[in-house]
Amino acid sequence: EVHLVESGGGLVQPGGSLRLSCAASGFTFSNYWMTWVRQAPGKGLEWVANIRHDGSEKYYVDSVKGRFTISRDNAKNSLYLQMNSLRAEDTAIYYCGRARGMEVWGKGTTVTVPS
Amino acid sequence: DVVMTQSPLSLPVTLGQPASISCRSSQSLVHSNGNTYLNWFQQRPGQSPRRLIFEVSKRDSGVPDRFSGSGSGTDFTLKISRVEAEDIGVYYCMQGTHWPPWTFGQGTKVEIK
Repeated sequence: EVHLVESGGGLVQPGGSLRLSCAASGFTFSNYWMTWVRQAPGKGLEWVANIRHDGSEKYYVDSVKGRFTISRDNAKNSLYLQMNSLRAEDTAIYYCGRARGMEVWGKGTTVTVPS
Repeated sequence: DVVMTQSPLSLPVTLGQPASISCRSSQSLVHSNGNTYLNWFQQRPGQSPRRLIFEVSKRDSGVPDRFSGSGSGTDFTLKISRVEAEDIGVYYCMQGTHWPPWTFGQGTKVEIK
């Protein structure tokens, strides 16, 4: 069965950093694009970033460009999101998803940046 | 960026009755390869989202056949033929034709009337 498990969320002060991880299992991780999507409290879904299966292409929403970095380790079946210079507006549940079409989602990890 | 507009944003429904959600895109979602990358997601209360429909009308594995997707170009619809209690939640459309960015609709909250 396909599983995605996010971790690494927490409370961080404005300007701080966090590294989110997503552990994948049940499929050949290295064959798939992977995606991060976030959801602010009480709000809708926002695509954040995704990465090609070999890491050669990466895309970001404008609001995180220059601050967030998506990466992956195919040997460890893991996806990462390095988040720097965090702002209050980055407060959200962060979900990882398989493929650009988000065909499978994890349960998410919560990031809180107080204002 | 492609803007996705859903309507209604709130949909009170009666169990056993049909329901329909509209999603419109600010430009055609037909890709140069002929495919249309329009997905629908369901988010039940307290849960992570789940994909129901991809490429306009293809149901994901395990999705009940009371869910159907249709449309073309810029106008798309998600229909539930007979609403069941487990269908309560928020539904989102998302386009994956013109990227980046991939963009979602605002969400439609389906609740019991």
